Amino acid sequence: GEDVEQSLFLSVREGDSSVINCTYTDSSSTYLYWYKQEPGAGLQLLTYIFSNMDMKQDQRLTVLLNKKDKHLSLRIADTQTGDSAIYFCAERPINEIIFGKGTRLHILP
Amino acid sequence: DTGVSQNPRHKITKRGQNVTFRCDPISEHNRLYWYRQTLGQGPEFLTYFQNEAQLEKSRLLSDRFSAERPKGSFSTLEIQRTEQGDSAMYLCASSLAVLGGNEQFFGPGTRLTVL
Repeated sequence: GEDVEQSLFLSVREGDSSVINCTYTDSSSTYLYWYKQEPGAGLQLLTYIFSNMDMKQDQRLTVLLNKKDKHLSLRIADTQTGDSAIYFCAERPINEIIFGKGTRLHILP
Repeated sequence: DTGVSQNPRHKITKRGQNVTFRCDPISEHNRLYWYRQTLGQGPEFLTYFQNEAQLEKSRLLSDRFSAERPKGSFSTLEIQRTEQGDSAMYLCASSLAVLGGNEQFFGPGTRLTVL
C-alpha cells in the first residue's frame, strides 16, 4: 500500500496560489520533503521541513505540517507557467525516501 | 562539481541482455542511493551505500540486480537478463550524512527500455 498519498492533478490559473496536499503514514519521519520534477529533468528538492516544525516559508513557497493528522501541504504563491511540473511529497523515516505518486500541476492562462 | 551525474541517459536493450549504469555522486557526499521510477509513479528506493558499504537493499532489488561502489565514489547498477518489466527510469542520489541532516540530491536518471 501507499505510504504517502497525494492527489494526482491540480489545475490553477496563472497568478493564483496553488495548494498541493499530502498525507503520510510514518509518524517517525524526521524530515518531510517536496520535490519538483519537470519533463526530462531529474528531481529537484524544493523544500523540506523538520517534523518538529509546523510551518516553513521560502519565498513563494509555504509548507504547512500537521503532525497530528500526518498532513503536509505546499502552497505556491503567484503561480507561474514555469511552475508547471509534477510535485512529489516524500517522507524519510530512516534512510531511504518514500515518495508519493506525484501531483501534476497544470497552469491555466 | 555541479551535481550528480548518470550515464548513459538512455539505454535500449533486448530482453535477456545485461545492462550496467553508472552514477557519479557529488564529490564530498558519502551516501549514494539508487531509486527506480516507472511511469506515473514516484521513485521507489532500491538500495543505498555509505562509502563503499551497501547498507540496505529493498525487496524490489531482485537477484538479477547488483550494485557496487568499490571505492566509495562512483557506483554501478547492473541488471542481468533484463525483462520488459525492468523498463523504468533509474535514479541515483547522493547525500552527506551528518547529524540531523541528509538531503538527497538526485541525478537526471538513466531511462531503460527493454524490448
